[in-house]
Amino acid sequence: QLQLQESGPGLVKPSETLSLTCTVSGGSISSSTYYWGWIRQPPGKGLEWIGSIYHSGNTYYNPSLKSRVTISVDTSNNQFSLRLSSVTAADTAVYFCARKTDHFDYWGQGTLVTVTS
Amino acid sequence: QPVLTQSSSASASLGSSVKLTCTLSSGHRNYLIAWHRQQPGKAPRYLMKLDGSGSYNKGSGVPDRFSGSSSGADRYLSISNLQSEDEADYYCETWDSYTQVFGGGTKLTVL
Repeated sequence: QLQLQESGPGLVKPSETLSLTCTVSGGSISSSTYYWGWIRQPPGKGLEWIGSIYHSGNTYYNPSLKSRVTISVDTSNNQFSLRLSSVTAADTAVYFCARKTDHFDYWGQGTLVTVTS
Repeated sequence: QPVLTQSSSASASLGSSVKLTCTLSSGHRNYLIAWHRQQPGKAPRYLMKLDGSGSYNKGSGVPDRFSGSSSGADRYLSISNLQSEDEADYYCETWDSYTQVFGGGTKLTVL
C-alpha cells in the first residue's frame, strides 16, 4: 500500500524559507509512471497546486509561485522536498504531497505550516 | 490554462442522490478531469478520472454509489444512496502539459 508522509517545521518566520520533505513508502519514487507533487490548502480555502517533479529531476511549477519555489528529489531515500522562500502570512496552509499520473491519485495526510513571527 | 468552475455548495438528504457539476473553461471543453473527496479534517481522496464522453475510471475501493458523466464542457459526479460520510468538500482537477488546476470545490451537506 503506497503511503506518503510529509515532515518539517510547523512554524516559519516571515521572510524565511519553508522546507518540507515527503517520504514515500510502499512504492518507488523512481517509477517511470509517476510524477510527484506538492499541493497546499490555506485554512478554510480550496486546493492550490504548487509544483511537480519527476525522478529525473524534471520540474513544473505553478506560475504564481515559480519565483519562490524549488522542488527536489532524493531517489536514494525515496523522498522529495519543497522549499518556498520569502514566506508571508499568506503562505500559512496545510501542505500535501501526492503522487501524480496525469492527475493526483494518492495523497499524504498533510502538514500545517504557520507563518508567524 | 484551463479554469474549472464549481458551485460553492450543495445539499441533499440521507439516502437520496446528488449530482455535482464541474465546468471547464472555453477552449478546454474536451479536457479530462479527476474528482476528489475531502472529508472534514482529512486529506483529499481520489475518486475517479472522467473524460468528455462520460467514460470514467474509479480509484481503488471507491464505492459503486459514485459515478461520472459528461455533457459538453460540464463534468458531473453523481452520488446515490447518500451516506453521512459523503458530507465533504468535492474538488475537480484538470491538467495540461505543464500545469495542474483545481476547481474551487463544492461543499456537500447531507441533511
